[in-house]
Amino acid sequence: GAVVSQHPSWVICKSGTSVKIECRSLDFQATTMFWYRQFPKQSLMLMATSNEGSKATYEQGVEKDKFLINHASLTLSTLTVTSAHPEDSSFYICSARQGAWETQYFGPGTRLLVL
Amino acid sequence: DAKTTQPPSMDCAEGRAANLPCNHSTISGNEYVYWYRQIHSQGPQYIIHGLKNNETNEMASLIITEDRKSSTLILPHATLRDTAVYYCIVRVGADQTGANNLFFGTGTRLTVIP
Repeated sequence: GAVVSQHPSWVICKSGTSVKIECRSLDFQATTMFWYRQFPKQSLMLMATSNEGSKATYEQGVEKDKFLINHASLTLSTLTVTSAHPEDSSFYICSARQGAWETQYFGPGTRLLVL
Repeated sequence: DAKTTQPPSMDCAEGRAANLPCNHSTISGNEYVYWYRQIHSQGPQYIIHGLKNNETNEMASLIITEDRKSSTLILPHATLRDTAVYYCIVRVGADQTGANNLFFGTGTRLTVIP
C-alpha cells in the first residue's frame, strides 16, 4: 500500500513555542491531505482538510490561527501548532489520498508534549 | 456520512477467525464501507473496503449483507499482532466538497488471546 511518513515522531516543547510537523506521501502524489488529533483513550478527530495549493478547510471548533496548515506540494503538508499550551499535547496524525476516489492512507503519528 | 455501530470490545483466540461486526443501517447507495485498524500508538492502517460485493485481500475478508445495512470484517487466522482497535467507516466514493472524508467512531477493541 501507499506510504505516508511524519516527522518528527515525537516532540517535547515549552509552553508558548511553536512546533511544526511534516507529513509526506512517499510513493504517490497526494492531492488531499488530512490532519487528525487523538487524545488518550479517544478516537481520531479530524482537524482539517487541505488540497494542494489551496487553503485548508478546518472542522468546527478547530482554531485556524492556532493550527496552521500548509500544503505547498503534492507530497508535503505541514501542521504548525503556534503558541503551544499543555492542552495541545496530543497525538497528531496525518493522512493523504491521491484523488477523490482513492483510499486514504495514514502516517505513523507525532506525539506532542507541551510542558 | 452514515453512522456506524460497533461492539466496544471483542476477544479472539489466537489462530481462530475473528469476526468483527458493524451496523450501518442508514448507509446510502453511494457510500462505501471502509475498515481501518489502529495498533497502540500508531497511525491507522487501511485494511479493506467495499460497496456491495464481498471483498477479500491478503489481510482480511469483508462480507456485506445484501441490504447493505451491516457488514462483517473477517480475519481468518488471528495472531497476537492483530490486537488493535478496528474502525468501520462509511464514506461516499468521491466528493470534492469533502463529504467523503473519513470520520472515526469509537471502533471495536479486538484482543487476540494466546
